[in-house]
Amino acid sequence: DSGVTQTPKHLITATGQRVTLRCSPRSGDLSVYWYQQSLDQGLQFLIQYYNGEERAKGNILERFSAQQFPDLHSELNLSSLELGDSALYFCASSAPGRQRDTQYFGPGTRLTVL
Amino acid sequence: DAKTTQPPSMDCAEGRAANLPCNHSTISGNEYVYWYRQIHSQGPQYIIHGLKNNETNEMASLIITEDRKSSTLILPHATLRDTAVYYCIRLTMYSGGGADGLTFGKGTHLIIQP
Repeated sequence: DSGVTQTPKHLITATGQRVTLRCSPRSGDLSVYWYQQSLDQGLQFLIQYYNGEERAKGNILERFSAQQFPDLHSELNLSSLELGDSALYFCASSAPGRQRDTQYFGPGTRLTVL
Repeated sequence: DAKTTQPPSMDCAEGRAANLPCNHSTISGNEYVYWYRQIHSQGPQYIIHGLKNNETNEMASLIITEDRKSSTLILPHATLRDTAVYYCIRLTMYSGGGADGLTFGKGTHLIIQP
């Protein structure tokens, strides 16, 4: 158990819909990272937040957005969903200076778009 | 571009040492070598990381060549539960602390044989 929690574990929805994935980082961690893992693209970094502020962007689509709240939990919002958005979505957290910013991953949310 | 090269798959007998190689010939001086593994569809699990020196923890040992162009992850006594995809990742640390998202390649699928 990494200490990072993600909800829900599974999500099934239809094309065109919008969903929100939630992540609670480990206690004391200020950074949250979001990753997408699909069969054809592998594990890809989407976006990073640090203490409420966006810090880095990876291969995140414009239809996707994220935020980090004052209590440090984060949400990833996916809108206008397409079949290709079906994937595992992982959240990771890290703390500056703690084990050199090692990222610890949550169990993931499996999104299925029908 | 994962910027590391790993064999796609390896077998190892249970109880023996598993040695997983990684080539990172273009690594920069401020880039660390991180190893993660992913068991089936679980969240990636941190194993170990290093910069120049060899490192050991309760899970594994990391041997980095003197020129830093390659490294080897060693699982000293492999068990069936070590069957997973192992990822070797280069990671740049910010001078003020913190790091970017991880860039995952295809990794090595390690299969431990009974």
